[in-house]
Amino acid sequence: DIQMTQSPSSLSASVGDRVTITCRASQRISTYLNWYQQKPGKAPNLLIYAASGLHSGVPSRFSGSGSGTDFTLTISSLQPEDFATYYCQQSYSTPLTFGQGTRLEIK
Amino acid sequence: EVQLVESGGGLVQPGWSLRLSCAASGFTFDAYAMHWVRQAPGKGLEWVSDISWNSGSIGYADSVQGRFTISRDNAKNSLYLQMSSLRAEDTAFYYCVKDSGPTGQVPAAVHLDSWGQGTLVTVSS
Repeated sequence: DIQMTQSPSSLSASVGDRVTITCRASQRISTYLNWYQQKPGKAPNLLIYAASGLHSGVPSRFSGSGSGTDFTLTISSLQPEDFATYYCQQSYSTPLTFGQGTRLEIK
Repeated sequence: EVQLVESGGGLVQPGWSLRLSCAASGFTFDAYAMHWVRQAPGKGLEWVSDISWNSGSIGYADSVQGRFTISRDNAKNSLYLQMSSLRAEDTAFYYCVKDSGPTGQVPAAVHLDSWGQGTLVTVSS
């Protein structure tokens, strides 16, 4: 199975900050990498697909980059509604696997 | 608007069985692969199983292989997960999830683009 490792596991930031979350795969996965946002008590929502594609309806302050084994999710200017947990997920091979999550908290 | 509504969760004893259902609407159900993803309370996401649009391709996580069976009824726009020999470690919210494509085959730009609200399965004596 492909292991997905996110860093940091938690992060404190302020409204307006630029934030970057990293995801590393245990083997090369091309650009088969997706990002999800999950708020407490809610289901996850797709943010970014294929490493850099912005899902419909997702604000343009979210962006993704990377290929191979290293990927990043960037939020250009944090908004109050962005405080949540973020997960990366690979679709290079089965089983589909997720990172352990990055909890983004208000400073 | 895509809607996925899970049902069938509850409290069961170890070794028992349970069947989850997912009612889909707002999209052409028989054109997309579907998945079950679970999340233990306070923990991360774990992919459980997937099924292609025509049920021709099915996959399971090792942790549930041989105990869980995924199925779908395209005439009823419904997805199912039959769970047997349940264990305490199966306790989780179970999400019904729509794939972006028809097959779920990887490697591909497969992404999970719509999620249900989840149903909680608790396995405890």
